[in-house]
Amino acid sequence: EIVLTQSPATLSLSPGERATLSCRASQSVYTSLGWYQQKPGQAPRLLIYDASNRATGVPARFSGSGSGTDFTLTISSLEPEDFAVYYCQQRYSWRPLTFGGGTRVEIK
Amino acid sequence: EVQLLQSGGGVVQPGGSLRLSCVASGFSFDAYAMHWVRQVPGKGLEWVSLISRDGGDTYYGDSVKGRFTVSRDNSKNSLYLQMNSLRSEDSAFYYCAKEASQHPNWLDPWGQGTPVTVSS
Repeated sequence: EIVLTQSPATLSLSPGERATLSCRASQSVYTSLGWYQQKPGQAPRLLIYDASNRATGVPARFSGSGSGTDFTLTISSLEPEDFAVYYCQQRYSWRPLTFGGGTRVEIK
Repeated sequence: EVQLLQSGGGVVQPGGSLRLSCVASGFSFDAYAMHWVRQVPGKGLEWVSLISRDGGDTYYGDSVKGRFTVSRDNSKNSLYLQMNSLRSEDSAFYYCAKEASQHPNWLDPWGQGTPVTVSS
């Protein structure tokens, strides 16, 4: 099973600031990594797939990068609605699909 | 609009059974594999199960293998998760999710979730 480790656990930032979230895989997943956003009381929403592709309707301020074992989700300028928990997920070894432990982006 | 409407959660005693349902609308249900994912409140996400488009292939996480059964009825646009021999550690919110269009094993969208509590 591929283990995904996200850091930091919590990121405290102000609206307008840049957010940089990290996800590290226990072995190479090539570019088979995605990111989800989850707001309180809601289901997760796919933001990024295949490391760097934005899902339909996702604003351009969200971008993903990386390959192999190290990946980054960047939010270029935080909007109030972006404060949420973000999870990475790998599909390279999909039995099982695995998720990271999450990064909470909170208002400073 | 693609929608996944879940039902069937509740409180059950250890060792008991529960069946979750997920009714799909807004897309060709039989064209997509479907997943179940669970989440303990305040914790992370755990993949539970996958079923192929025609229901012929099913896969499970190790923690539920042999106890949970995923199925689907394409004529009713419905997905199911039969949960038997439930344990306290199965208590979680359960989400159904559709595979993203043309992108296997990316999950988009997800249902609203349904809570399962296993307690005596």
